[in-house]
Amino acid sequence: DAKTTQPPSMDCAEGRAANLPCNHSTISGNEYVYWYRQIHSQGPQYIIHGLKNNETNEMASLIITEDRKSSTLILPHATLRDTAVYYCIVRVPYGGSQGNLIFGKGTKLSVKP
Amino acid sequence: GAGVSQSPRYKVAKRGQDVALRCDPISGHVSLFWYQQALGQGPEFLTYFQNEAQLDKSGLPSDRFFAERPEGSVSTLKIQRTQQEDSAVYLCASSLTDSPNSPLHFGNGTRLTVT
Repeated sequence: DAKTTQPPSMDCAEGRAANLPCNHSTISGNEYVYWYRQIHSQGPQYIIHGLKNNETNEMASLIITEDRKSSTLILPHATLRDTAVYYCIVRVPYGGSQGNLIFGKGTKLSVKP
Repeated sequence: GAGVSQSPRYKVAKRGQDVALRCDPISGHVSLFWYQQALGQGPEFLTYFQNEAQLDKSGLPSDRFFAERPEGSVSTLKIQRTQQEDSAVYLCASSLTDSPNSPLHFGNGTRLTVT
């Protein structure tokens, strides 16, 4: 079972920041927090991941709380092309198939003009 | 560089036919995963390869499903005697190493429809 809780849907105005929350209160040890998104008819797209520290790349920022029980994905200037289902995934710290991604239902983000 | 490539993009099969779905991972990627995604659901794990070795096939739903990666690069997922419940999107993902710190990169999938 997925170990994360996300709101089923969110709206965001174009040009504004989109802040997508994720609860992972049972995260343990050195489990990673990964974010993917899936645009209709495409495969999941990797966005960002982190362990303890906040992370930023060209797509987004990931803010992880100090107790690591929740995180927020931030898209700084949302565009219509960011409309997608966003998945927050806790990945166990083991290699191989034990580290396979377990997808939940995600958050459907709708960016509106 | 090129991403993960899957073919065909769409496949329609009559019930009982065999199908073969191809995955070209990113060059040099050691790990390869196959996932199945039903309509409206998140992807679910099918099987895992490290180079040419299939190390985990626990997610394959029946013995009609078979996967191979003979030279440690291209992989093929084969479904024998397809059934209607096999209709889904089949996704392939690869990662540079088998470390949990190494992101999976997905292809756009093959949408299989069994009629």
